[in-house]
Amino acid sequence: GAVVSQHPSWVICKSGTSVKIECRSLDFQATTMFWYRQFPKQSLMLMATSNEGSKATYEQGVEKDKFLINHASLTLSTLTVTSAHPEDSSFYICSAGSNTEAFFGQGTRLTVV
Amino acid sequence: QKEVEQDPGPLSVPEGAIVSLNCTYSNSAFQYFMWYRQYSRKGPELLMYTYSSGNKEDGRFTAQVDKSSKYISLFIRDSQPSDSATYLCAITRNDYKLSFGAGTTVTVRA
Repeated sequence: GAVVSQHPSWVICKSGTSVKIECRSLDFQATTMFWYRQFPKQSLMLMATSNEGSKATYEQGVEKDKFLINHASLTLSTLTVTSAHPEDSSFYICSAGSNTEAFFGQGTRLTVV
Repeated sequence: QKEVEQDPGPLSVPEGAIVSLNCTYSNSAFQYFMWYRQYSRKGPELLMYTYSSGNKEDGRFTAQVDKSSKYISLFIRDSQPSDSATYLCAITRNDYKLSFGAGTTVTVRA
């Protein structure tokens, strides 16, 4: 199947700093990518839909100024967690593909200390 | 009411047993039904998808959809310890957004 690469796989940052997570589709072009957040022992919660060349669409309750999404090319979307706080610590996962074959990145574990 | 309901388990079975997982959903507009497997600290991996009522088989895995009852199932035959993971059901309309169940943690005991 298609490959979606996510980087970094884990990151620790200090409270108040910003962290950027990259999501790349390696062997296909993705006009749309999705960003999810997953807390321990919970399901994936869709945060936003990233659209190439246009603004991202955020789900209700997700702060667009805190979670900045940029989809500058057909193979790369980035999620920047700005002014991170300990409550932002979570597992962030991106996906790309069709509605019947969504391929997920390996996830990024963010710990804010 | 959540769009997708899934019993989080955990579920523990002996090696060789049949694993039975299921989800219910609330909106009949959902058209596509998927099962993902997720190992600890990894992204989900697509196992199967279906779009019509009935059964779909792929090796040891069988996905079952009953649209009239809004009920989907995944069966794993001859389960192996390597099948130990969290299994998530996911459903979507035709808008690329996936709604996930809570995930069921399965342990297959050797």
